[in-house]
Amino acid sequence: RKEVEQDPGPFNVPEGATVAFNCTYSNSASQSFFWYRQDCRKEPKLLMSVYSSGNEDGRFTAQLNRASQYISLLIRDSKLSDSATYLCVVTSGDSSYKLIFGSGTRLLVRP
Amino acid sequence: DADVTQTPRNRITKTGKRIMLECSQTKGHDRMYWYRQDPGLGLRLIYYSFDVKDINKGEISDGYSVSRQAQAKFSLSLESAIPNQTALYFCATSLEGNSGYTDTQYFGPGTRLTVL
Repeated sequence: RKEVEQDPGPFNVPEGATVAFNCTYSNSASQSFFWYRQDCRKEPKLLMSVYSSGNEDGRFTAQLNRASQYISLLIRDSKLSDSATYLCVVTSGDSSYKLIFGSGTRLLVRP
Repeated sequence: DADVTQTPRNRITKTGKRIMLECSQTKGHDRMYWYRQDPGLGLRLIYYSFDVKDINKGEISDGYSVSRQAQAKFSLSLESAIPNQTALYFCATSLEGNSGYTDTQYFGPGTRLTVL
């Protein structure tokens, strides 16, 4: 079983749509959680950290459910520029610096 | 100028050749990392370094070696390249997070390596 599992997609949505991605992780000792964005053939970039209380950054909302070991990302009012692969990332349970990456969920926003 | 740079950006080589990938950063970070990315597998950690001369194995270090001779530079070597080392390689840097806090990792643009 992969340590971090994501639906690979692609999710194909029209501009303005709301789309949600989910991610599950296997190590209950993981302490920190993130969503990274990766454009085609480019480097990953931090989109947002994910906190237990949930957090929002503009059109993006991230939620963490530690009991279910589940992380979500909600994108409202999708833009063409949101088209990318979204990587769910958690820290390895025994460290704060070892990141475990999901294989990503691809989002395509169409006009 | 980019904060984290990698050279070369693309490389095609043959089985058995020695290859070195270079990473340089101007962010002043102590921590540096090498990852590889394969389709459907996500990024996997190869080696990491917390300071000059500090080297630690990651998840998939076999077949690779690294060198950290200066704070700003971290190089990855494939002593004898094989086809299953064909992948996209990323270097990353970070600060040392406070206890219980994970600092953001900043990635270089990647090196696309093909081993024939």
